[in-house]
Amino acid sequence: EVVMTQSPATLSVSPGERATLSCRASESVSSNLAWYQQRVGQAPRLLIYGASTRATGIPARFSGSGSGTEFTLFISSLQSEDFGVYYCQQYNKWFSRTFGQGTKVEIK
Amino acid sequence: EVQLVQSGAEVKKPGESLRISCQGSRDTFTTFWISWVRQMSGKGLEWMGRINPSDSYTTYSPSFQAHVTVSVDKSNSTAFLQWTSLEASDTAMYYCVADSAMTQYAFDIWGQGTLVTVSS
Repeated sequence: EVVMTQSPATLSVSPGERATLSCRASESVSSNLAWYQQRVGQAPRLLIYGASTRATGIPARFSGSGSGTEFTLFISSLQSEDFGVYYCQQYNKWFSRTFGQGTKVEIK
Repeated sequence: EVQLVQSGAEVKKPGESLRISCQGSRDTFTTFWISWVRQMSGKGLEWMGRINPSDSYTTYSPSFQAHVTVSVDKSNSTAFLQWTSLEASDTAMYYCVADSAMTQYAFDIWGQGTLVTVSS
C-alpha cells in the first residue's frame, strides 16, 4: 500500500499570506495525486487533481505541483474561507487509494 | 448536477448489523465509480473500498476488507456499505464519493456523510 506523508501537521498563517503544503508518497504515483480541503463540519471537496489541475470552481489562488513522490499545494494569498484541513490522496492504481494524514491550516 | 444523497444517522449496539446507502443520479450513476471513506471523530480520511456500478466490480482497502461489504443496486442508482457485526470502533462519519474519468478518477463528488454511532 502506498503511504502518503504530509507536512507540516499544522500551518499557522496570517490572512493574505502564502501557504505551502507538502505531500510525499512512499513510491511513485506519477501525477495521480489530488488535494482536498475540508472545512469544519463539512464534507471534503476536491481542489486539485492530476497534481496540478484545478477542479471546477476552484479559485486561481490554489495551485499544485510535483510528480513521482513529491508534491506541493500552494495557496497564494490566504482568505478567511481557506482555513481548514487539507489532504493529499494518491489514486495511481485502480484498486487502491490512500490519503495523507492531513495538514491543518489555522489562523496565525 | 450530479449529487450523492446519503441515508440518515444511525445509532446501533455492538454486534448489530447495519447497511447505509448512497443514492446518485439515475442518468449518470453508472458513469462513476463509488467509494466509501471513513472519518473517525477528529481524525483523517480513510479510503475503505470502491465499486463500479456498471458491473459491481469491487476493490477494498486491506484495512477494511474483512469487516465491511460494498454493494450496489444499479436499478435504483444506490450504493451500500454494510456491516454484519458492528464494533464500537466503527463509530465514525462515513462518506460516499464518486470519481470518473472527468477528473482522472480523483474524488470529485461527495455525499453529505452518514454518522454511525455504535454504543452499548
